[in-house]
Amino acid sequence: DAGVIQSPRHEVTEMGQEVTLRCKPISGHDYLFWYRQTMMRGLELLIYFNNNVPIDDSGMPEDRFSAKMPNASFSTLKIQPSEPRDSAVYFCASRPGTLGVTFGSGTRLTVV
Amino acid sequence: GQQLNQSPQSMFIQEGEDVSMNCTSSSIFNTWLWYKQDPGEGPVLLIALYKAGELTSNGRLTAQFGITRKDSFLNISASIPSDVGIYFCAGRGGADGLTFGKGTHLIIQP
Repeated sequence: DAGVIQSPRHEVTEMGQEVTLRCKPISGHDYLFWYRQTMMRGLELLIYFNNNVPIDDSGMPEDRFSAKMPNASFSTLKIQPSEPRDSAVYFCASRPGTLGVTFGSGTRLTVV
Repeated sequence: GQQLNQSPQSMFIQEGEDVSMNCTSSSIFNTWLWYKQDPGEGPVLLIALYKAGELTSNGRLTAQFGITRKDSFLNISASIPSDVGIYFCAGRGGADGLTFGKGTHLIIQP
């Protein structure tokens, strides 16, 4: 099992540019989560999906953030336009049923 | 929203010492989880607790789900250098997403 796969591992972009983060969950996991980690706020849940359907996006900071899950093996988190305060490590995680989540290695985003 | 208070923020210990950290919540959780994060990686699940009062071990790690369902602790016995990292507690209440504590930085002095 390859685990949760995220790409890219690092992304540096200029303010105002569109950023797309990608995630492949573990096969068979019906829940997918997007988290953001910063020194100030720790790990924050942004949005999660169950069977490809968004269930709770109340953690998404604002309309500049959007997430999709077109199928069971792929999800994207998009920021448009990006701002310096969006700089953080973004984690995708998945889990089967009610068990603990498995995290990917994260995407370190720097917006300059 | 739900708040988790994790303590201590950091620990400086000698190799071989035992470690104890805990989390308290302002609300009830149905599941408590403990994760460890190494630099540049995502958190890795150490122990999952699903029932109030449950005491679970994973090697040198022991964790308990508080009887009030508002707290949990993690103990590490006989620490070794590879135990260095950031430990996070996480709780799940009625919703599916996890609420994370701010983490405990474990530093082992030679």
